[in-house]
Amino acid sequence: SSELTQDPAVSVALGQTVRITCQGDSLRSYYASWYQQKPGQAPVLVIYGKNNRPSGIPDRFSGSSSGNTASLTITGAQAEDEADYYCNSRDSSGNRGVFGGGTKLTVL
Amino acid sequence: EVQLVESGGGLVKPGGSLRLSCAASGFTFSSYSMNWVRQAPGKGLEWVSSISSSSSYIYYADSVKGRFTISRDNAKNSLYLQMNSLRAEDTAVYYCARDGPKGYYDSSGEYYFDYWGQGTLVTVSS
Repeated sequence: SSELTQDPAVSVALGQTVRITCQGDSLRSYYASWYQQKPGQAPVLVIYGKNNRPSGIPDRFSGSSSGNTASLTITGAQAEDEADYYCNSRDSSGNRGVFGGGTKLTVL
Repeated sequence: EVQLVESGGGLVKPGGSLRLSCAASGFTFSSYSMNWVRQAPGKGLEWVSSISSSSSYIYYADSVKGRFTISRDNAKNSLYLQMNSLRAEDTAVYYCARDGPKGYYDSSGEYYFDYWGQGTLVTVSS
């Protein structure tokens, strides 16, 4: 399968922990990467590989994976974390990219 | 500082053509695979095409295969997307994105886009 599935929307209370998931057969072979996108802005990489954060990404962002499911966890969500989050990986062939449908995170 | 600057977007009629460019700076362009990703208005991200550092590997999404052509000029630090037979459903912001530092095929299984441009809007309408 070349699809990655995400929940369309998730909400979290300020300061609490939230997990955003991404499911797909290709995730058994390839790591997911995660992107944050705020309105009118380009996506920003927040997690890649097993659990790596690019420089400048707060350590409240972490990633994990089990079987066909990858997860992005935000521990102690902040108001500025309200955004759309997308997972990405290769398809099962390993040749082509594929994105999840995105999850809109609301911080209450 | 890594910079990716897209250009070439605009309004085009269905069936028309457009060529997007992405000017790269701040890194050794010839060492990185590059990608085009698009986002239709109010919709999610869609991977469009990838090209490896030496153009040995080129892949397209099914939605654009046979109509779009990705290419690069490492001497000019530039990435291109030639878009032909455009359709209304191709209307989107098109982003240029750099692959991580590992090669297109890497045994680690890590694939990601570490830098993105600000995008260029393509509108296909009569």
